[in-house]
Amino acid sequence: AQSVTQPDIHITVSEGASLELRCNYSYGATPYLFWYVQSPGQGLQLLLKYFSGDTLVQGIKGFEAEFKRSQSSFNLRKPSVHWSDAAEYFCAVGPLTGGGNKLTFGTGTQLKVEL
Amino acid sequence: EAGVTQFPSHSVIEKGQTVTLRCDPISGHDNLYWYRRVMGKEIKFLLHFVKESKQDESGMPNNRFLAERTGGTYSTLKVQPAELEDSGVYFCASSQDVRSGWGETQYFGPGTRLLVL
Repeated sequence: AQSVTQPDIHITVSEGASLELRCNYSYGATPYLFWYVQSPGQGLQLLLKYFSGDTLVQGIKGFEAEFKRSQSSFNLRKPSVHWSDAAEYFCAVGPLTGGGNKLTFGTGTQLKVEL
Repeated sequence: EAGVTQFPSHSVIEKGQTVTLRCDPISGHDNLYWYRRVMGKEIKFLLHFVKESKQDESGMPNNRFLAERTGGTYSTLKVQPAELEDSGVYFCASSQDVRSGWGETQYFGPGTRLLVL
C-alpha cells in the first residue's frame, strides 16, 4: 500500500530564511505528487504537483519542489519565507493506474514563522 | 468561479445523535471526494463519487456513515449514530472528469469540524 511520510510535525523559521519541508513516499511505481497548504479557516490549496517531466516543479507563492526518484522524496522549498506562509503543509500522493484519483496524505507539517 | 463549499463549518453533537454534512462541489465537476482528518492524524480518503454513482467507498469506516449525491450535484455525508471517534475535520473535494487525463487537481473545501461529545 502506498504511504506518505512527513517527518517534521512542526517547523519554525524566521521570516526571510529559507525553508525545506520533507516528504517521502512509498509506492510501487512513479506516483503523481502534490503539496497542499491549509491556512487557518481555509480549505486545502494546491501549491504544486508533479506528474512527469522536469523533476523540479514550480508552484504558487514562490514554492518549488524537487522529485527525487532514488530517494522517494518530494521536498518542498522556498528561498525566503514570508510571515503569511505560516500554515500547515500536506504532501500527498495519487495513483497512476486505476483506482480513481484518491489521494494519500502525510500527517502534515505545521510551519511557524517568527518575525 | 465559486470554490468547493461545505456546511456547516462546525458541528458539536452528543454521542448517539445524527449529523449531516453537506458539500457543494465546483460547478461542472463530476468527481466528488470525501476525506476525513482525525486529530493528529493524516487526512484519509472516505469515498469518491463520479456524478451520482459511488466509484470507490473503500475508506468508509463503517455502516454508520452514509453518503449520497443525488442528481450528481451536491453531496451529503450522514453519520448516524455518531460516536466519539467520529470527531475530526471532514473535507470535501471535487475535480473534473478523470478521463481528461491523469494528475488532475482536486479542489478542496474548508472542511467541517465535527466534535462528538
